[in-house]
Amino acid sequence: DSGVTQTPKHLITATGQRVTLRCSPRSGDLSVYWYQQSLDQGLQFLIQYYNGEERAKGNILERFSAQQFPDLHSELNLSSLELGDSALYFCASSVAPHNEQFFGPGTRLTVL
Amino acid sequence: GENVEQHPSTLSVQEGDSAVIKCTYSDSASNYFPWYKQELGKGPQLIIDIRSNVGEKKDQRIAVTLNKTAKHFSLHITETQPEDSAVYFCAASNEASGNEKLTFGTGTRLTIIP
Repeated sequence: DSGVTQTPKHLITATGQRVTLRCSPRSGDLSVYWYQQSLDQGLQFLIQYYNGEERAKGNILERFSAQQFPDLHSELNLSSLELGDSALYFCASSVAPHNEQFFGPGTRLTVL
Repeated sequence: GENVEQHPSTLSVQEGDSAVIKCTYSDSASNYFPWYKQELGKGPQLIIDIRSNVGEKKDQRIAVTLNKTAKHFSLHITETQPEDSAVYFCAASNEASGNEKLTFGTGTRLTIIP
């Protein structure tokens, strides 16, 4: 158990819908990262927050957005969902930007 | 951007033998190289990492070597056990870039044959 929690574990929804994935970092960690894992694209970095501020952006679609709240938990919002958005979404956290990243158990999103 | 290639994609070894997984990276500025183990239905678990100021690092049966000149790094698992069966990912990042994103390899499915 890495200490990173993610909810929900599974999410099934329809095309065009909007969902919110939640992540609580390890106690004391200020940095949160979101990654997408799909069969064809592998593990891809989406976005990073550090102490409430966006720090880096990767291959994140405009339909996706994220934020980190004052209590340091983070949410990833996915809207106008398409079939291709079906994937595992992982959150990772680290104490500071230049430290080891620890991953949560992931949220499996299925878009029907 | 950074590109990480990982080989082999699948690897089967007899229990007790050694396993080696290799990765190459493209960005010479990358300086942090972690390895993750992912079991079915779980998130990636950090098992070992190395920074570019070090050539080798060991932790019990696991070791990682780094060749900065050739831009490749390898994971070595000795005395393999059935619980080592999993998918292993290498990754690279440039910690001096102000962006600590990890760029992952495509993974190696390791099967330990009892």
